Amino acid sequence: GAVVSQHPSRVICKSGTSVKIECRSLDFQATTMFWYRQFPKQSLMLMATSNEGSKATYEQGVEKDKFLINHASLTLSTLTVTSAHPEDSSFYICSASPREGLNNEQFFGPGTRLTVL
Amino acid sequence: AQSVTQLGSHVSVSEGALVLLRCNYSSSVPPYLFWYVQYPNQGLQLLLKYTTGATLVKGINGFEAEFKKSETSFHLTKPSAHMSDAAEYFCAVSDGGAGNMLTFGGGTRLMVKP
Repeated sequence: GAVVSQHPSRVICKSGTSVKIECRSLDFQATTMFWYRQFPKQSLMLMATSNEGSKATYEQGVEKDKFLINHASLTLSTLTVTSAHPEDSSFYICSASPREGLNNEQFFGPGTRLTVL
Repeated sequence: AQSVTQLGSHVSVSEGALVLLRCNYSSSVPPYLFWYVQYPNQGLQLLLKYTTGATLVKGINGFEAEFKKSETSFHLTKPSAHMSDAAEYFCAVSDGGAGNMLTFGGGTRLMVKP
């Protein structure tokens, strides 16, 4: 149990286009989902925290107009990178925190590799 | 505020040798502590966690960690390294608050030599 999926696993896009990444909790309801960014050989950097039905909370230095987060249901959160540029190329990882039970843990998706040309 | 320090960004051991990955934390409240492993181009997999109770925690793949409050440490060990243990390891701390927000250490890359 407690599986989180991400789609797509890899995406290559042209500079200036927008890319949407989906994060789904497959077998539990998630009150909170997190979006992380990871540069090569570095740790995870928290970008934002989203709660179902409310606006995401962005970490300092993360542009909310560039990284749009929608947590429309208890099993789905999306991250849209708008007007992507090469510097946005990174590994994006989501995680989800269950609504009930297992309430000390986040469950991580497999990540999405974004390459902007 | 919480923070996590992983001493040694790279650790190299021989196959069959002891693995010791160090993690120190700071937290103003009793912490929840986690170790995750990440293989290339993959997400994070939970190895083990400490919440309350027994301070020696056993995880998957033969790993264990001991919570030492007096030393604010949560070091990860494995008696005998296997080639498949080569990966990136992250220590993380949570205050157990809303959403269980995690603060990660910088990570330690474990290399296993044949």
